[in-house]
Amino acid sequence: DTEVTQTPKHLVMGMTNKKSLKCEQHMGHRAMYWYKQKAKKPPELMFVYSYEKLSINESVPSRFSPECPNSSLLNLHLHALQPEDSALYLCASSPTSDTQYFGPGTRLTVL
Amino acid sequence: DQQVKQNSPSLSVQEGRISILNCDYTNSMFDYFLWYKKYPAEGPTFLISISSIKDKNEDGRFTVFLNKSAKHLSLHIVPSQPGDSAVYFCAARATDSWGKFQFGAGTQVVVTP
Repeated sequence: DTEVTQTPKHLVMGMTNKKSLKCEQHMGHRAMYWYKQKAKKPPELMFVYSYEKLSINESVPSRFSPECPNSSLLNLHLHALQPEDSALYLCASSPTSDTQYFGPGTRLTVL
Repeated sequence: DQQVKQNSPSLSVQEGRISILNCDYTNSMFDYFLWYKKYPAEGPTFLISISSIKDKNEDGRFTVFLNKSAKHLSLHIVPSQPGDSAVYFCAARATDSWGKFQFGAGTQVVVTP
């Protein structure tokens, strides 16, 4: 298995909802990442997990809460989001600190 | 502060010709560089990488050149194919920034018949 999968593909949520994004990889990569990408902008790093521990938080608001239950799985819990949080959320994994492999993303719309 | 810059937002090239995409960076601590290709509504796909100890890396139709003194890298695609039409991002990581890649704004490539 040489890919990163993300579910759901699309998500529409209200500002009071709680939802979660899921990312999975079975390549044995020990680093996993969450990025946010707005239209016509580059991906922006949000969180990095290394060996299932949070190693980087790029000053992301607490309404985004990451979780790494095991080495293959990465979740992003969402609560009380704002319309400006609407974006493509990308998950990536890497075997070391080098090349990152991205999933297809979850297109999030906050109403 | 944008440390990785792709100053050409778009590039149009004829099928079969060479596509040259440019990327400039400002941080002299960057030591590893990646190029990604992205189709709409998909995640970026890794294309090719280069370490600062090299000045060229080749993989099939894709070649990346690194000029450290000019803080410049370029991606050459030869020959260009219609399937190469996508947005291309360069990304760079500093020696002391494990896992933290800075991305350029991207260049939209359109390959015409």
